[in-house]
Amino acid sequence: SQTIHQWPATLVQPVGSPLSLECTVEGTSNPNLYWYRQAAGRGLQLLFYSVGIGQISSEVPQNLSASRPQDRQFILSSKKLLLSDSGFYLCAWIRQGAGGELFFGEGSRLTVL
Amino acid sequence: SQKIEQNSEALNIQEGKTATLTCNYTNYSPAYLQWYRQDPGRGPVFLLLIRENEKEKRKERLKVTFDTTLKQSLFHITASQPADSATYLCALPINQAGTALIFGKGTTLSVSS
Repeated sequence: SQTIHQWPATLVQPVGSPLSLECTVEGTSNPNLYWYRQAAGRGLQLLFYSVGIGQISSEVPQNLSASRPQDRQFILSSKKLLLSDSGFYLCAWIRQGAGGELFFGEGSRLTVL
Repeated sequence: SQKIEQNSEALNIQEGKTATLTCNYTNYSPAYLQWYRQDPGRGPVFLLLIRENEKEKRKERLKVTFDTTLKQSLFHITASQPADSATYLCALPINQAGTALIFGKGTTLSVSS
């Protein structure tokens, strides 16, 4: 079966520290992968998406970056976190042949202090 | 760029009544529109997809309509139950190619017994 894993689930980081969130999909190949963020009082914001290894499209060019080093791995990074980076980060993928609906991971809640 | 508006942030109804949620978009008519349910602290879960050539789609107690003239989708939950309490999100393709989805801010539904 196809599953998606995200980690860590929760983290508290000081301002200016680096960030690395990882997402792995199992049971499929060449999925489209996505990073979204949900900040307090705001909607689900598309950050990055990838249609293949090394292919990254950015929708929000802030101090975040994304990489896809392997077919089923998607990483969200930052060199220096800001207070405004706090939020609930969600990785998602589109299952092939499923009509385009997104399947989300369990999320990573980031608090920047 | 495409913009999505979900008019009500919160909707409170009595158990057994029909809940109606609204999603409006501002730009081109998308090839399809999706609805998701999100519970607190969890990722969104796909509910229904309706294509531009479909006026209505049903799934158990859920019904979605799609009016490309009004640029609007309505999401109905009939015979609502307290377990239906959640945030409901509308989603559209970000562009004509449909490589990613953007989401509305959501409507939080509370069903009281």
